Amino acid sequence: EVQLVQSGAELKKPGESLRISCKGSGYNFTSYWINWVRQMPGEGLEWMGRIDPSDSYTTYSPSFQGHVTISADKSISTAYLQWSSLKASHTAMYYCARRIVGVNLQDAFDFWGLGTMVTVSS
Amino acid sequence: EIVLTQSPGTLSLSPGERATLSCRASQSISSSYLAWYQQKPGQAPRLLIYGASSRATGIPDRFSGSGSGTDFTLTISRLEPEDFAVYYCQQYGSSPSWTFGQGTKVEIQ
Repeated sequence: EVQLVQSGAELKKPGESLRISCKGSGYNFTSYWINWVRQMPGEGLEWMGRIDPSDSYTTYSPSFQGHVTISADKSISTAYLQWSSLKASHTAMYYCARRIVGVNLQDAFDFWGLGTMVTVSS
Repeated sequence: EIVLTQSPGTLSLSPGERATLSCRASQSISSSYLAWYQQKPGQAPRLLIYGASSRATGIPDRFSGSGSGTDFTLTISRLEPEDFAVYYCQQYGSSPSWTFGQGTKVEIQ
């Protein structure tokens, strides 16, 4: 069974650093890109960036480039999303999602983690 | 950057009724690159439709997708109580990158 298991909720203060994780199981972790998606309270879905776990090559949305870092450790089938200095505006739910490409190049995110709620408050 | 605009913002219907949700792209996109997701309160999104019209594994056949070019539609033929949720369309673009529509909420009338 394919699963993406995300780390637990975080309560942090402004200026602190944070790394959250997403562990894949039930499939070959290096065969599928992992994406990170933000959902601010009461809002819609925003794609943040992706990583190819086989070589750790990353691509970021311009909105998030320079503000977060995506990484992966394929030896433990885990992807990460990290911030060096949190702000209150980073308060949101963060999802990881696996990307698939179908035989006719259909593109979608087929499995999602349950999300990690990050709250930044002084 | 391609923008996806979903309409209506909210759809108020009763169980058993038909729901028609629209997703319009700011420029033409390949049907292969259009997907639909369902999100219920407190849950992660779930893939419903990929390639504009292919149902994902385990998705009931009351859900169907159609469209091409700039106009895409998600249809729920007969709403079940568990279908009341928010629905998002998504497209894959170059770079690579992905964008989501702003969502349509299907609520009980």
